[in-house]
Amino acid sequence: AQSVTQLDSQVPVFEEAPVELRCNYSSSVSVYLFWYVQYPNQGLQLLLKYLSGSTLVESINGFEAEFNKSQTSFHLRKPSVHISDTAEYFCAVTPIGSASKIIFGSGTRLSIRP
Amino acid sequence: GAVVSQHPSRVICKSGTSVKIECRSLDFQATTMFWYRQFPKKSLMLMATSNEGSKATYEQGVEKDKFLINHASLTLSTLTVTSAHPEDSSFYICSARNRGGTEAFFGQGTRLTVV
Repeated sequence: AQSVTQLDSQVPVFEEAPVELRCNYSSSVSVYLFWYVQYPNQGLQLLLKYLSGSTLVESINGFEAEFNKSQTSFHLRKPSVHISDTAEYFCAVTPIGSASKIIFGSGTRLSIRP
Repeated sequence: GAVVSQHPSRVICKSGTSVKIECRSLDFQATTMFWYRQFPKKSLMLMATSNEGSKATYEQGVEKDKFLINHASLTLSTLTVTSAHPEDSSFYICSARNRGGTEAFFGQGTRLTVV
């Protein structure tokens, strides 16, 4: 079985400050890892994913996440946040295999203060 | 990326009636679809997984007779909430994945309010 832990339920930061949203997972098999973002009253949008290869993955809007196998972590970072980054962020894993379900963490609410 | 359309976005129904929510993959064949329920300020709870042409697999604690899932084609899955009650009020989200795909694409969600 798999599980995902997002220790921080809320992260308040000032605009243009750096941010890190933490994600740790547990799995007995190899997994793919994802970060999704959810804006109010909307579905989820994929932010970035790790499948294989380079452990550092980037999104088009400045976020990056690094897969650390030894620490079973996939923390999300951004060097300088913007007001528009205010949203709920979910870390997720899925065992490798197309029929596998996606397991989500509890989410982290990122709030940006001007 | 691939597009998943969920309809309706909002629905209000009377207690005791049934509500159907549709989830369509617009530009790919969704061999697997997932239905989630999200409570306020909470994560997504997987309700069931459906593969095209097969019966849905429900998660523990989810009443299959209350939440009817149909995945009759490669582009459409429906969730019917039967005999809805106020406690069924929630945000329901579908997602879809194609054969061999590594990620799932999400619909916009449906806000169900039972009065």
